[in-house]
Amino acid sequence: KNEVEQSPQNLTAQEGEFITINCSYSVGISALHWLQQHPGGGIVSLFMLSSGKKKHGRLIATINIQEKHSSLHITASHPRDSAVYICAARNRDDKIIFGKGTRLHILP
Amino acid sequence: EAQVTQNPRYLITVTGKKLTVTCSQNMNHEYMSWYRQDPGLGLRQIYYSMNVEVTDKGDVPEGYKVSRKEKRNFPLILESPSPNQTSLYFCASSLLQGAGNEQFFGPGTRLTVL
Repeated sequence: KNEVEQSPQNLTAQEGEFITINCSYSVGISALHWLQQHPGGGIVSLFMLSSGKKKHGRLIATINIQEKHSSLHITASHPRDSAVYICAARNRDDKIIFGKGTRLHILP
Repeated sequence: EAQVTQNPRYLITVTGKKLTVTCSQNMNHEYMSWYRQDPGLGLRQIYYSMNVEVTDKGDVPEGYKVSRKEKRNFPLILESPSPNQTSLYFCASSLLQGAGNEQFFGPGTRLTVL
């Protein structure tokens, strides 16, 4: 069993829909990262959080430390949000463990 | 502009021919790392460096070498590449290792070993 599990693996939705991507982890963490990888391959960091909730534009990330669960939400989704979203947990030894990613496709 | 650069972006080579993928950052970051990304396996760490002359193995170091002679550069060396090293490689850096330090990724190098 992977230490960081994401769901769903693939998600197709219509433009405008509210999107939720989930991440569960089994290790103690010091921080959790959400990354975005566009079709061209480049990776950018979206959020880094260790508690509560963060918001940036239409993106919201939440984390529940007790339940070892994080979610990434996209409001009013747009085709340009189509990408692979990767959850990464930084454990207490500072090692980063990556989920396998969620491939999101937003249809116009 | 603050960035991590990698070269080359694409490389096709043959088994056994030594190659180096360069990585450079202009943010004065102490921590640098190499990852490979394979379908179905996600990102896996190859090597990392916490500062100049300090390097350590990640999860999949076999067949790779690194060096950190200067703070800004962290080259990845494949002494004798094999087809199972065909992958997409990313270099990343952060100010320090540890929670609260965002990682900045390079654009990736797609390597094919024939």
